[in-house]
Amino acid sequence: AQSVTQLGSHVSVSEGALVLLRCNYSSSVPPYLFWYVQYPNQGLQLLLKYTSAAALVKGINGFEAEFKKSETSFHLTKPSAHMSDAAEYFCAVSEASGTYKYIFGTGTRLKVLA
Amino acid sequence: EAGVAQSPRYKIIEKRQSVAFWCNPISGHATLYWYQQILGQGPKLLIQFQNNGVVDDSQLPKDRFSAERLKGVDSTLKIQPAKLEDSAVYLCASSFRVPETQYFGPGTRLLVL
Repeated sequence: AQSVTQLGSHVSVSEGALVLLRCNYSSSVPPYLFWYVQYPNQGLQLLLKYTSAAALVKGINGFEAEFKKSETSFHLTKPSAHMSDAAEYFCAVSEASGTYKYIFGTGTRLKVLA
Repeated sequence: EAGVAQSPRYKIIEKRQSVAFWCNPISGHATLYWYQQILGQGPKLLIQFQNNGVVDDSQLPKDRFSAERLKGVDSTLKIQPAKLEDSAVYLCASSFRVPETQYFGPGTRLLVL
């Protein structure tokens, strides 16, 4: 069965610093991978997705993620954090067949310090 | 394009009471999902519909939870009777088809006292 691990339930960065949120998945078959962001009292918004095209995926708000099959990782990065990036971020993996069910990680809450 | 609509946004009930949540997906989206998000956890799929048929309800506690999507458009999720551990945010999502991207509604925050 698919699983997703997000290292670090809380991450703090200074405004302008690099953002790195980690995500590892378990799968024998390259899956579809997603990063979603959730602002307080809102639903999840898609940041970016990997569907086996390019390994480096660019998303909205300056975020990007790189699929590394050898490391089974899909870490999310942003070169320069902004105060508005403070939110909770979820990594998800979708099974590559059948119902394409999403399995979500437990989330990482990003805090941006002024 | 209108997003996924959910109501109510907040609900407080006593344990053993019943509650219902409504979801209207994005127009034209055949696939509809209900998720449960407990505080501090990622969303967990409860049920997935393809048009008005159920394709996955393996994690739905069927002794107390039920869901329907009668005309293949909007959907209702019901809990009867509610337990304290049902306190969570219930998210609805839709996609044009699988494996297209899922789009999420704002959620219904349920508190069971």
